[in-house]
Amino acid sequence: GQNIDQPTEMTATEGAIVQINCTYQTSGFNGLFWYQQHAGEAPTFLSYNVLDGLEEKGRFSSFLSRSKGYSYLLLKELQMKDSASYLCARRNNQGGKLIFGQGTELSVKP
Amino acid sequence: GAGVSQSPRYKVTKRGQDVALRCDPISGHVSLYWYRQALGQGPEFLTYFNYEAQQDKSGLPNDRFSAERPEGSISTLTIQRTEQRDSAMYRCASSADTNTEAFFGQGTRLTVV
Repeated sequence: GQNIDQPTEMTATEGAIVQINCTYQTSGFNGLFWYQQHAGEAPTFLSYNVLDGLEEKGRFSSFLSRSKGYSYLLLKELQMKDSASYLCARRNNQGGKLIFGQGTELSVKP
Repeated sequence: GAGVSQSPRYKVTKRGQDVALRCDPISGHVSLYWYRQALGQGPEFLTYFNYEAQQDKSGLPNDRFSAERPEGSISTLTIQRTEQRDSAMYRCASSADTNTEAFFGQGTRLTVV
């Protein structure tokens, strides 16, 4: 299967740091994506990891460990506008099928 | 076009009718994906294409659902004999190739009454 597990919801405080974890089945893996989705809108691309390590993009960073089937998205200096659902997705190595997790609903409080 | 375009944005249909949902991907994008998304859930995979070839249709719920991309560009998702349980947001996405990020359209909200 393609089991992708991430927490259903998280709460954090404005200005703080939050880490959203994602675990996935490693067989046939060919890349891990993170998307942000605000209520009523389409998912938008945040980051992509295919090799182990940390990818940093401004306030957002994403980490991947292929051997452990584990990724996380790190959000720094949280802002109220970061309240959204964060989706972890893995791509297969046979033609590129992209499968999403259920999403983590992040609420940023003042 | 500049982004992925889906039409119609909203569709209300009577149970038993057929519906066709259209997706116009970003120009030149090789891969095209169809998803269904329930409120509070992640996108559920339905099917995807590389060029005009349907690579995987394992996510289609039953044989009332079909999809095509005859010229490797625009795609149509067809639902025959619609049922109330088909009501959902249907999302299309495209990517430049099989290794890059996918871009989503705004979706078609289907309501079966």
